[in-house]
Amino acid sequence: AQSVTQPDIHITVSEGASLELRCNYSYGATPYLFWYVQSPGQGLQLLLKYFSGDTLVQGIKGFEAEFKRSQSSFNLRKPSVHWSDAAEYFCAVGAIGGRRALTFGSGTRLQVQP
Amino acid sequence: EAGVTQFPSHSVIEKGQTVTLRCDPISGHDNLYWYRRVMGKEIKFLLHFVKESKQDESGMPNNRFLAERTGGTYSTLKVQPAELEDSGVYFCASSIRTSGRAGSYEQYFGPGTRLTVT
Repeated sequence: AQSVTQPDIHITVSEGASLELRCNYSYGATPYLFWYVQSPGQGLQLLLKYFSGDTLVQGIKGFEAEFKRSQSSFNLRKPSVHWSDAAEYFCAVGAIGGRRALTFGSGTRLQVQP
Repeated sequence: EAGVTQFPSHSVIEKGQTVTLRCDPISGHDNLYWYRRVMGKEIKFLLHFVKESKQDESGMPNNRFLAERTGGTYSTLKVQPAELEDSGVYFCASSIRTSGRAGSYEQYFGPGTRLTVT
């Protein structure tokens, strides 16, 4: 069975600092990979996705993520964090050719200090 | 284009009562999914519709939960009778159905319904 680990439950960064949120997955092959964000009072918004090809993917709001097959990781990055980035971030995987259900990590809550 | 909508946004019911949650997917999306997040844990899959048919209901916790999708449009999730452990946020998502595999995995989520059972 596939699983997703987000080792950081809570991260605090200063506004303008860089950000990296970690995501590791366990799956027998390369899955489809996603990052979602949930802002306070909002639903889940798709930030970016990896299906195949270039391992560095660009998303919305200035985020990017890099797929590293050797490390089974799909870490999310942003060079300069804005106060509006404070939210909860979820990494998710989908099994290629299998069930359409996504498997989510437990989430990382980001706090941004002024 | 309207996104996925869910109703109500919040529901508070007593143990033993019945609650029905509704989801309207993005127009043209044949795939509809229900997920649940309980007590700040991970978001877990409940079931998947393709049009009006249940494709995968492996995540449904027990027979107190009944999901329907009338005419392949909106969907309802009924909990009867509700228990305390059913409290959480219920998310609905939808995706297109394409001949290629990747697109159908790109799921768009609604704002969720927060269910509180007291």
